[in-house]
Amino acid sequence: AQSVTQLDSQVPVFEEAPVELRCNYSSSVSVYLFWYVQYPNQGLQLLLKYLSGSTLVESINGFEAEFNKSQTSFHLRKPSVHISDTAEYFCAVSGPGGTSYGKLTFGQGTILTVHP
Amino acid sequence: KAGVTQTPRYLIKTRGQQVTLSCSPISGHRSVSWYQQTPGQGLQFLFEYFSETQRNKGNFPGRFSGRQFSNSRSEMNVSTLELGDSALYLCASSPGLNQETQYFGPGTRLLVL
Repeated sequence: AQSVTQLDSQVPVFEEAPVELRCNYSSSVSVYLFWYVQYPNQGLQLLLKYLSGSTLVESINGFEAEFNKSQTSFHLRKPSVHISDTAEYFCAVSGPGGTSYGKLTFGQGTILTVHP
Repeated sequence: KAGVTQTPRYLIKTRGQQVTLSCSPISGHRSVSWYQQTPGQGLQFLFEYFSETQRNKGNFPGRFSGRQFSNSRSEMNVSTLELGDSALYLCASSPGLNQETQYFGPGTRLLVL
């Protein structure tokens, strides 16, 4: 069975400071990894994903995450945050086919609060 | 392309009633997955449909059911509502051929009184 642990439930940070949201996963098979963001009263928006290839993936709004297979981690980073990055962030994992069809396993979420 | 749409956006029901939620996937997507989001349990997978067949299901009681139509639209039904069913119900669509990215709708917020 797959599981995801987001190590911080809340991360406060000042505007323009760097931030790292930590995610570790557990799986016995190859995985695909995702970060989603949720703004209040909205659904989930895809931030970035790792399916294969380069272990460093980037989003269009400055976030990046690195897949580390040996440490089973997929931490999310941004070098300089904005007030508008305030939201809840979810790390998710899925596996190839079978019992993983259409199933994302999510972490508990990290609330990022950016202060002016 | 239009995104995933869900109707209704908000619902208030009383215990014992049943409810049906609807999800229209992105055009061309054949897989629809449903999730329940609550403050206590987080995001939990309910089930997934592909080409009108349930391919996968999570660990929810039989009161939770779903179906998918030939146009890939999906509905989920909850019978005999309980207070604990109050949640945000999210659906997501993907092409469905492999473990592709899922795209989420805005959700239906259900309140059970």
